[in-house]
Amino acid sequence: EAGVTQFPSHSVIEKGQTVTLRCDPISGHDNLYWYRRVMGKEIKFLLHFVKESKQDESGMPNNRFLAERTGGTYSTLKVQPAELEDSGVYFCASSQNLGRTDTQYFGPGTRLTVL
Amino acid sequence: GNSVTQMEGPVTLSEEAFLTINCTYTATGYPSLFWYVQYPGEGLQLLLKATKADDKGSNKGFEATYRKETTSFHLEKGSVQVSDSAVYFCALSGLLNTGTASKLTFGTGTRLQVTL
Repeated sequence: EAGVTQFPSHSVIEKGQTVTLRCDPISGHDNLYWYRRVMGKEIKFLLHFVKESKQDESGMPNNRFLAERTGGTYSTLKVQPAELEDSGVYFCASSQNLGRTDTQYFGPGTRLTVL
Repeated sequence: GNSVTQMEGPVTLSEEAFLTINCTYTATGYPSLFWYVQYPGEGLQLLLKATKADDKGSNKGFEATYRKETTSFHLEKGSVQVSDSAVYFCALSGLLNTGTASKLTFGTGTRLQVTL
């Protein structure tokens, strides 16, 4: 079974540019999450999709961030325009259900550097 | 709200030494607790988990026991190896009013370096 995949693995852009990150969850997983780790700090929740619907987007930092999950399969996270403080590692995770014992499986992350 | 506090790193140990990484939490309700590990150049992997009080999660020689009375979930390993060098994250998943699990709340991570 393929795991969660993310693309690209690294992205270096200049302030003001746009970047789009992609996440492909494990097949059959309805729940998809985005998290972010800013340099040396804790991993923080951004948002949660159930299929194509946004279940919880309380962690999205501002309106420069736009997440979509058309068709309930892969998801994209767009940052437009990017700012210096957006640099960090963006993780995607998926889970099959929302039970207390269910595990979120993480992708390898996308390292974003904004210059 | 929910929060996780874990010991600051880096932790440097010699091979075969005993490892403890402390983790305490604050949560409403009855959370599930996790340890994730990130090896160099890789993504986050679930190391172990526990979903109720006094449960012990274990994997690859690592153990952690869910202690409700002390709100702790300390990670231990009796004899570390060089290959255990990684960043370890303690996390919790709260319980929503709907009875379903909420998003994960992570600690800051503890870097472990094991030397020969």
